[in-house]
Amino acid sequence: SQKIEQNSEALNIQEGKTATLTCNYTNYSPAYLQWYRQDPGRGPVFLLLIRENEKEKRKERLKVTFDTTLKQSLFHITASQPADSATYLCALNKAAGNKLTFGGGTRVLVKP
Amino acid sequence: DTAVSQTPKYLVTQMGNDKSIKCEQNLGHDTMYWYKQDSKKFLKIMFSYNNKELIINETVPNRFSPKSPDKAHLNLHINSLELGDSAVYFCASSRRGGGAGETQYFGPGTRLLVL
Repeated sequence: SQKIEQNSEALNIQEGKTATLTCNYTNYSPAYLQWYRQDPGRGPVFLLLIRENEKEKRKERLKVTFDTTLKQSLFHITASQPADSATYLCALNKAAGNKLTFGGGTRVLVKP
Repeated sequence: DTAVSQTPKYLVTQMGNDKSIKCEQNLGHDTMYWYKQDSKKFLKIMFSYNNKELIINETVPNRFSPKSPDKAHLNLHINSLELGDSAVYFCASSRRGGGAGETQYFGPGTRLLVL
């Protein structure tokens, strides 16, 4: 069965450092991979989308990589700030239809 | 202006009751979704509607019935509530929904607690 795994343990990181989160998947061939941010008590907010034929995508301090051979995406937050503290969810999407399958999320805590 | 809104924000009810959650989006999107996020924080798709037509219907008990009176609204009615229905329910929308790779915009969630 399809499986999307994110590190369920919280990631504690010092302000200014780079946070790196992983999203691994099995039994799935996604055409797109999205990353969302979720703050406590709120709905997820879209951050970045990367296509299967793209290796890397950047947006301000965020960088996403997508390796379809390793079946893995990495999500980097550079120069992290306390305001980056949240749960980050990866979501996979096949080529047809808009059904998103989410991972369980990784909580990031940036300490000043 | 809230793009995707849900009411109520909190819902506490007894087992066996019937309840509804309402969702409205003012983004002009064609597709709307219902997700359930359980205590382990997994977000799972339940239903989606495109222009009032049901297009995704996951394995959800038939006690759950979505209704879309128009493309800006998608309501979720739950009959005979059970303890296991306790979760946060999120509504979302996307621009078209016919193709893949669309950004989804989520509402603030409805926290349902069944006692």
